[in-house]
Amino acid sequence: EVQLVQSGAEVKKPGESLKISCKGSGYSFTSYWIGWVRQMPGKGLEWMGIIKPADSDTRYSPSFQGQVTISADKTISTAYLQWSSLKASDTAMYYCARLLGYSFALGWFDPWGQGTQVTVSS
Amino acid sequence: EIVLTQSPGTLSLSAGERATLSCRASQSVSSTYLAWYQQKPGQAPRLLIYGASSRATGIPDRFSGSGSGTDFTLTISRLEPEDFAVYYCQQYGTSPLTFGGGTKVEIK
Repeated sequence: EVQLVQSGAEVKKPGESLKISCKGSGYSFTSYWIGWVRQMPGKGLEWMGIIKPADSDTRYSPSFQGQVTISADKTISTAYLQWSSLKASDTAMYYCARLLGYSFALGWFDPWGQGTQVTVSS
Repeated sequence: EIVLTQSPGTLSLSAGERATLSCRASQSVSSTYLAWYQQKPGQAPRLLIYGASSRATGIPDRFSGSGSGTDFTLTISRLEPEDFAVYYCQQYGTSPLTFGGGTKVEIK
């Protein structure tokens, strides 16, 4: 079974750093891009960026460029989403998902991880 | 960036009825590169449709997708109780990938 399992919920203070993870199993992790999607409370889905674990080629949405860092460790089939200085507006659910498709770095997402809730509050 | 506008925002229907959800793009989506997802409260999104009309593995045939260019439709032929959820479209013809704002299908 293809599965993405994300790290647990986090509660942080503004200005703190954070790295959340997404571990893939049941498929060749290096053969597919992994994407990250934000969902703010009560809102819709926003694409943040994608990474190709094979060589760590990374593409960011213009809205998130410079705000977060996406990385991967192919040796342990894990992708990461990282903040250097959190803000209250980073409070959201974050999903990772495998990218499928026929075009380079473009596609649909399946499956999705269960999500990681990040809460930033003083 | 391609902006996807979903309508209506909320659809109030009864079980057994037909649901028709719209996703309109601000510019043409190349090669019918459009997907649909279902999200239930407290759950991650689930892929329903890709390529505008291809059902994902395990998705019942009451779900169908159609459209091309700038206008796409997700149809649920007969609503089952488990279909009441929020539905999102996503285009992947052009970077950045973008999602629509969602349509909530609620019980009337």
